[in-house]
Amino acid sequence: DTGVSQDPRHKITKRGQNVTFRCDPISEHNRLYWYRQTLGQGPEFLTYFQNEAQLEKSRLLSDRFSAERPKGSFSTLEIQRTEQGDSAMYLCASSLELLADTDTQYFGPGTRLTVL
Amino acid sequence: AQTVTQSQPEMSVQEAETVTLSCTYDTSENNYYLFWYKQPPSRQMILVIRQEAYKQQNATENRFSVNFQKAAKSFSLKISDSQLGDTAMYFCAFMRRRGTRGFGNEKLTFGTGTRLTIIP
Repeated sequence: DTGVSQDPRHKITKRGQNVTFRCDPISEHNRLYWYRQTLGQGPEFLTYFQNEAQLEKSRLLSDRFSAERPKGSFSTLEIQRTEQGDSAMYLCASSLELLADTDTQYFGPGTRLTVL
Repeated sequence: AQTVTQSQPEMSVQEAETVTLSCTYDTSENNYYLFWYKQPPSRQMILVIRQEAYKQQNATENRFSVNFQKAAKSFSLKISDSQLGDTAMYFCAFMRRRGTRGFGNEKLTFGTGTRLTIIP
């Protein structure tokens, strides 16, 4: 069984360009989370999905950000009109939501975005 | 809202020694989980240990153990017989436990991390 994978691992873009990241969760996991981590800080929650439904978005997720999980499997995170402040590591995590409890989140390697 | 505080930005210890990383948190929740995650220089976040708040017994995983003090809202990580591979950033994290009312957002709230270096 493979872990959470993310693509690309690194992305360098110019300010104003659009970028899209992909996350493939652990195969049986129905929950998928996106976090953002800036240098020297812990990850901060952005949004999460239960199957294909996006159930919550952080106030950190401006209208330039959009996330999808169309078939309840992989997810994409798109940033439009990138700004230098968007430079960060974008982490994806997945978990198996159980009926009576909450499972541990497992993280992917992240996508490091640099906006020039 | 929950907050997690790690007051030790950096620590270093000799190989084979024991080291304790501190974490305190603030919440009004009664049912929750606490985690320690490790992020090596390659930057993949790895779960080290997990503690359920309703359990009084401290969690242990091989060389890793926690000291969970619920009343004091303290959750420290002890690493025994430290190894070079333990060199990493360590993050303490809080997660609310889903109650019987239904689904909730079990997002993780992280501290700012402690950079641990094991010295050969």
